[in-house]
Amino acid sequence: DAGVIQSPRHEVTEMGQEVTLRCKPISGHDYLFWYRQTMMRGLELLIYFNNNVPIDDSGMPEDRFSAKMPNASFSTLKIQPSEPRDSAVYFCASSFLGGNYGYTFGSGTRLTVV
Amino acid sequence: KQEVTQIPAALSVPEGENLVLNCSFTDSAIYNLQWFRQDPGKGLTSLLLIQSSQREQTSGRLNASLDKSSGRSTLYIAASQPGDSATYLCADQWGAQKLVFGQGTRLTINP
Repeated sequence: DAGVIQSPRHEVTEMGQEVTLRCKPISGHDYLFWYRQTMMRGLELLIYFNNNVPIDDSGMPEDRFSAKMPNASFSTLKIQPSEPRDSAVYFCASSFLGGNYGYTFGSGTRLTVV
Repeated sequence: KQEVTQIPAALSVPEGENLVLNCSFTDSAIYNLQWFRQDPGKGLTSLLLIQSSQREQTSGRLNASLDKSSGRSTLYIAASQPGDSATYLCADQWGAQKLVFGQGTRLTINP
């Protein structure tokens, strides 16, 4: 398996623009997670899905953030409108049967909002 | 609320030394604990997973232990090499499926 695949690797956008981050989890994994990493706050869970259904979005910072998982092999995280404080590395991770067998992370998307 | 603390924040040692990285958590009701490695500008690579019923896991030169009663985990690295230089993160699975991360230990192995 190619692992968790995220795109794009880097994104630079202007404040106010819409940004869409994409993730393909490992085939067969039933949980998908979106994390954000910053120097100040470290790694924070934004939202996670189980069998394509959002379970907990309490970590989503504002209504400007939304996430979808239309099928088992694809998820998006959208920020609209983007702000400079959204600049961070966004990671997608997937797991099987919760975390019993561990979590696999993607390489991340480095977002810069100018 | 679960909190995970890693000490020290940074560590620099000469090549060949054995070393221990520490991780502590406030709520012992964890499911699993996982150690990750992160290289600069890269993603997270899983090193070891300790399930709640286990006390330790080993992979090559790495050994991780878990003591739920004291709220601690340690990552032992034997015979350190320059290639081990990275940030090491511990994360516990606490409260359903949530992973809570420590801030990491930035490790530098000097040749």
